[in-house]
Amino acid sequence: AQSVTQLDSQVPVFEEAPVELRCNYSSSVSVYLFWYVQYPNQGLQLLLKYLSGSTLVKSINGFEAEFNKSQTSFHLRKPSVHISDTAEYFCAVSGLGTGRRALTFGSGTRLQVQP
Amino acid sequence: GAVVSQHPSWVICKSGTSVKIECRSLDFQATTMFWYRQFPKQSLMLMATSNEGSKATYEQGVEKDKFLINHASLTLSTLTVTSAHPEDSSFYICITRGVRNTEAFFGQGTRLTVV
Repeated sequence: AQSVTQLDSQVPVFEEAPVELRCNYSSSVSVYLFWYVQYPNQGLQLLLKYLSGSTLVKSINGFEAEFNKSQTSFHLRKPSVHISDTAEYFCAVSGLGTGRRALTFGSGTRLQVQP
Repeated sequence: GAVVSQHPSWVICKSGTSVKIECRSLDFQATTMFWYRQFPKQSLMLMATSNEGSKATYEQGVEKDKFLINHASLTLSTLTVTSAHPEDSSFYICITRGVRNTEAFFGQGTRLTVV
């Protein structure tokens, strides 16, 4: 079984400031890691994912996340946020291997970007 | 990537009635479909896992007689909320995975309001 902890339920930040959204996970097996973004009244969209290889993964809109196996973390960062980044962000994990596996989601972090 | 079409996107129903939510995989054989529920300002919680041609597996605390899942074909999985009550009001979403679990394909979600 896996679990995901997002300690920060809300993160207020001013526009153009850097931000970090924290995600820690627990699993007895190797996992894939994902960050999803949910804009108001919309479904979830994939932001980025770690499958293997380089521990630093980046999205097309400036977000990046680093997989840290020793700390079981996958924190999301952006050096300069925009108003349009205001949304709910979910960290998720799933097991590897054959057989389709359910995603386990964290409780979410609401990023509120203020002008 | 694969496309999962979920309908309806929103529905309002009277207490005591039943509501059926459909998820169709348009270009993908979805042998497994995961059904999640998201209450306001909360995360996505796995309700059940449906496998084509077999009975669904329900998570602890989810009433199988209330949330009927049918996965009769590789392209269609349905969730029926029977005898709906206001506390069933939620956002329901279906998710399927690629065979190696490196990707997840989301339905658009259904916002159910029971009045």
